[in-house]
Amino acid sequence: NAGVTQTPKFQVLKTGQSMTLQCAQDMNHNSMYWYRQDPGMGLRLIYYSASEGTTDKGEVPNGYNVSRLNKREFSLRLESAAPSQTSVYFCASSVRTGNTGELFFGEGSRLTVL
Amino acid sequence: AQKITQTQPGMFVQEKEAVTLDCTYDTSDPSYGLFWYKQPSSGEMIFLIYQGSYDQQNATEGRYSLNFQKARKSANLVISASQLGDSAMYFCAMREVGNTGGFKTIFGAGTRLFVKA
Repeated sequence: NAGVTQTPKFQVLKTGQSMTLQCAQDMNHNSMYWYRQDPGMGLRLIYYSASEGTTDKGEVPNGYNVSRLNKREFSLRLESAAPSQTSVYFCASSVRTGNTGELFFGEGSRLTVL
Repeated sequence: AQKITQTQPGMFVQEKEAVTLDCTYDTSDPSYGLFWYKQPSSGEMIFLIYQGSYDQQNATEGRYSLNFQKARKSANLVISASQLGDSAMYFCAMREVGNTGGFKTIFGAGTRLFVKA
């Protein structure tokens, strides 16, 4: 059972380059999320998608764009990468309402911007 | 606005003793949920325990319990009988309903727990 799958696991970019982080879940969850994790700052919400066709900003959306391609897939794009975007990125999914709303996480993607 | 605060960057506990990790929160949504997640050095996020804002009793899951004090807006995690494998980063999180419906979950900065043999 794959759960939440993120690609790539590791990426090194030069300042100004663009890239897309891909995320897919096979749990039939409506809601998907992108977080970044930096030392001492916990996980900060970048964008989330409550359901297919909707996206909303989180705590730190600047410099990022997202696409909810379908119910399974939620991508995060860095149009012009900056060193401040060096981080570990986590994708997560959950049910939309009801239940606890527990997050199911991918393994993380480590991005370094030089 | 949603806010989660964890004021203990690091904690030490002796093996087999209990430890409390602090978490305070702020929200204007009357319906919210509180979580604790564990992140070992391997990096994966592991769900530990959940407390709903309307739950009357404190949540428990094995050696984990959540000390929910609604009036104080605190949701402390208690780990009983600590084990060496409990050494990890612990995150408190809160979910509320977002602008577009569905859940929006934010996290605190985390507490790193060290269990001493």
